[in-house]
Amino acid sequence: DSGVTQTPKHLITATGQRVTLRCSPRSGDLSVYWYQQSLDQGLQFLIQYYNGEERAKGNILERFSAQQFPDLHSELNLSSLELGDSALYFCASSPRRSGQGVDEQYFGPGTRLTVT
Amino acid sequence: AQKITQTQPGMFVQEKEAVTLDCTYDTSDPSYGLFWYKQPSSGEMIFLIYQGSYDQQNATEGRYSLNFQKARKSANLVISASQLGDSAMYFCAMREPGTALIFGKGTTLSVSS
Repeated sequence: DSGVTQTPKHLITATGQRVTLRCSPRSGDLSVYWYQQSLDQGLQFLIQYYNGEERAKGNILERFSAQQFPDLHSELNLSSLELGDSALYFCASSPRRSGQGVDEQYFGPGTRLTVT
Repeated sequence: AQKITQTQPGMFVQEKEAVTLDCTYDTSDPSYGLFWYKQPSSGEMIFLIYQGSYDQQNATEGRYSLNFQKARKSANLVISASQLGDSAMYFCAMREPGTALIFGKGTTLSVSS
């Protein structure tokens, strides 16, 4: 158990809908990262938050957005869903308090999103 | 630009044998970290081992060791005494300071009895 929690574990929804994925980082970790794993794109970085502020953006679509709340949990919002958004979405947290440096990231169990 | 290459789509090994999973990387930043993660069929990503670019010694964690050859830009994972439970997808990844992880495409390891 990495200490990172994600809910829900599975989500099935229809095209055009909107969903919210939730992540709680490990105790004391200020950085949260979101990744998408799909069969055709592999594992891709979406977005990073550090202590409530957006720190970096990767290959995140405009239909997707995220935020990190004062209690440090984070939510990833996916809207106008398409079939191609079906993927495993991971949240990871990082122990380094500065948000900088090269340290390990611990992953949550992931949310498997299926868009039908 | 950062890049991670895993050239072995699949590897097969018998129980109790050692296996090496290859990983090469590319970066222009002198400060970086290299990571290996294991992803079993259940889907979770399990952190295995970390090597910093300035570390003089190769990292080891139990049966896992990282064969770090800086000049060749390689960071191969060695699993000693393979077990059936080692069957999984293995990802090599890299980070530069303050950035997110960049992953390779992964290697599927199958351990047979």
